[in-house]
Amino acid sequence: DAGVTQSPTHLIKTRGQQVTLRCSPISGHKSVSWYQQVLGQGPQFIFQYYEKEERGRGNFPDRFSARQFPNYSSELNVNALLLGDSALYLCASSLEDRGWTEAFFGQGTRLTVV
Amino acid sequence: AQRVTQPEKLLSVFKGAPVELKCNYSYSGSPELFWYVQYSRQRLQLLLRHISRESIKGFTADLNKGETSFHLKKPFAQEEDSAMYYCALQVDNYGQNFVFGPGTRLSVLP
Repeated sequence: DAGVTQSPTHLIKTRGQQVTLRCSPISGHKSVSWYQQVLGQGPQFIFQYYEKEERGRGNFPDRFSARQFPNYSSELNVNALLLGDSALYLCASSLEDRGWTEAFFGQGTRLTVV
Repeated sequence: AQRVTQPEKLLSVFKGAPVELKCNYSYSGSPELFWYVQYSRQRLQLLLRHISRESIKGFTADLNKGETSFHLKKPFAQEEDSAMYYCALQVDNYGQNFVFGPGTRLSVLP
């Protein structure tokens, strides 16, 4: 098993553009979560999805959206990009959504907005 | 509001010396706290969670509700412990909604 895979690994976008980041969870994991990690800070929770439904949302504007597909993979979309959206975006997968199960993180997608 | 602080951005110790990485939190509910670690060029991974009370790679962490702290300790540091360490608080004891601290970079010198 390759673990959680994210694509692309790096990308550069211009202010105002839209971006889609992709995540494939570990086989058998039904929950996917997204985090934003700005340089010098810890990860900040954006979304959690389980069985294609949103189960949690962090304090992010509506420009951020996500979805989960029947195969449990997920996409994170960010519209109207701002310079401040430049960050490492992490995806994590876990077996369940309730209580606590260990989350396994991907390597991340480094987004640079210019 | 929930918050996690880690006062040290960088902590350098010599091999064999004791290590203590500090973590303080603010949370109105009953806290569920975790330590995550990221070794060089590796993914962020769970090190330990307070409820399991396990010792992982020689590290332990005790939850002190009176001082709202969850410091990570190891009696004898090894060079392979050099990494970035994040303290995290699970919000509402639910799922993957964590509040992470800013992290402490531990450097163990030979």
